[in-house]
Amino acid sequence: GAVVSQHPSWVICKSGTSVKIECRSLDFQATTMFWYRQFPKQSLMLMATSNEGSKATYEQGVEKDKFLINHASLTLSTLTVTSAHPEDSSFYICSARDPSGGVTTDTQYFGPGTRLTVL
Amino acid sequence: GENVEQHPSTLSVQEGDSAVIKCTYSDSASNYFPWYKQELGKGPQLIIDIRSNVGEKKDQRIAVTLNKTAKHFSLHITETQPEDSAVYFCAASILANLFFGTGTRLTVIP
Repeated sequence: GAVVSQHPSWVICKSGTSVKIECRSLDFQATTMFWYRQFPKQSLMLMATSNEGSKATYEQGVEKDKFLINHASLTLSTLTVTSAHPEDSSFYICSARDPSGGVTTDTQYFGPGTRLTVL
Repeated sequence: GENVEQHPSTLSVQEGDSAVIKCTYSDSASNYFPWYKQELGKGPQLIIDIRSNVGEKKDQRIAVTLNKTAKHFSLHITETQPEDSAVYFCAASILANLFFGTGTRLTVIP
């Protein structure tokens, strides 16, 4: 299957700083990428949908000014957590949709996740 | 929006036995149903999927069934092995957006 990478895999930062997480599709071009957040022992919560060259669409309750998403190319989307606070500590996972498969355009491939800890 | 329910939340089976995880969905417009396996500290890995025009799909020890009328789909794992231990998520897709179930923690006892 298609491969999606994330960097960094984990990050620890001080409260008030900003953190950028990168999501890359390695062997396909992803016109759409998704950002999820996952708390321990819980399911994935969609934060936003990122389309290449346009503004991201945020889910209800997700602060777009706090979670900045940029999808500047067909293989890279970034999530920046601005002015991070301890409550932002979580596991952030991206996924990418491979549009080349025709009828399989719904298929999302997930990255390995980034664990963010805000002190 | 779509609501996906998943049962059971935890499942323990002896190695070699079968495991079945069930999900229901609410929106008849859902047309794609993937299953993901997530190991601790890792991202979800697609293990099998099924589309609404198919009733059953099998890949080695893993199979998925779909009943559109009843709006439920199930994951079947046969001859379970310890490495099958993980959290499994079902999902339903409408217009390429995934709606996830709450997950099932499967433990295969050697």
